[in-house]
Amino acid sequence: DTAVSQTPKYLVTQMGNDKSIKCEQNLGHDTMYWYKQDSKKFLKIMFSYNNKELIINETVPNRFSPKSPDKAHLNLHINSLELGDSAVYFCASSQERPARQYFGPGTRLTVL
Amino acid sequence: GEDVEQSLFLSVREGDSSVINCTYTDSSSTYLYWYKQEPGAGLQLLTYIFSNMDMKQDQRLTVLLNKKDKHLSLRIADTQTGDSAIYFCAEKDSSASKIIFGSGTRLSIRP
Repeated sequence: DTAVSQTPKYLVTQMGNDKSIKCEQNLGHDTMYWYKQDSKKFLKIMFSYNNKELIINETVPNRFSPKSPDKAHLNLHINSLELGDSAVYFCASSQERPARQYFGPGTRLTVL
Repeated sequence: GEDVEQSLFLSVREGDSSVINCTYTDSSSTYLYWYKQEPGAGLQLLTYIFSNMDMKQDQRLTVLLNKKDKHLSLRIADTQTGDSAIYFCAEKDSSASKIIFGSGTRLSIRP
């Protein structure tokens, strides 16, 4: 049974496009996160939601907009994609903030 | 701000022990974690330690915490090829709002 799932696993798109990445967790957790991992494997938190409410918003361009329709989902929408957005994006969830986090498999975004 | 630092690479011979080191800056950290990332996969929590502990052992894994020096280490005994991965040190920040990750240490195993 998949605990934290993301779709798509791979996303290749042109500069300037708008794309979304979806995340779902079936663990009943209250808190969900989005992380960006660059080509050097540095992992940086982007956003955190607790019970559909935004609690962390790091210094991320406002082209990135998270949306949490319910506690089990946290989607990431990116407008006007740029080359520098190419990275692996990980969704994660935890029962309390920020206890043990369960990570999704990642979405590799390539912007051409 | 809080910072977590690790060396980027470590190479060990199969069967030897691996020791991955980490330093952090937030003296009020309450939890420190070790995550493992295998190629093409997400991060998996390997182990964690409360800040009031000095050591934690879990099968082949031993975590040592030196609070005075803000130094955390992960020792993997009898390293196997399946241990090849990137290991991330992380701390729960003092405001308890997020986990801060180190840069990751890539562990490679020589035959």
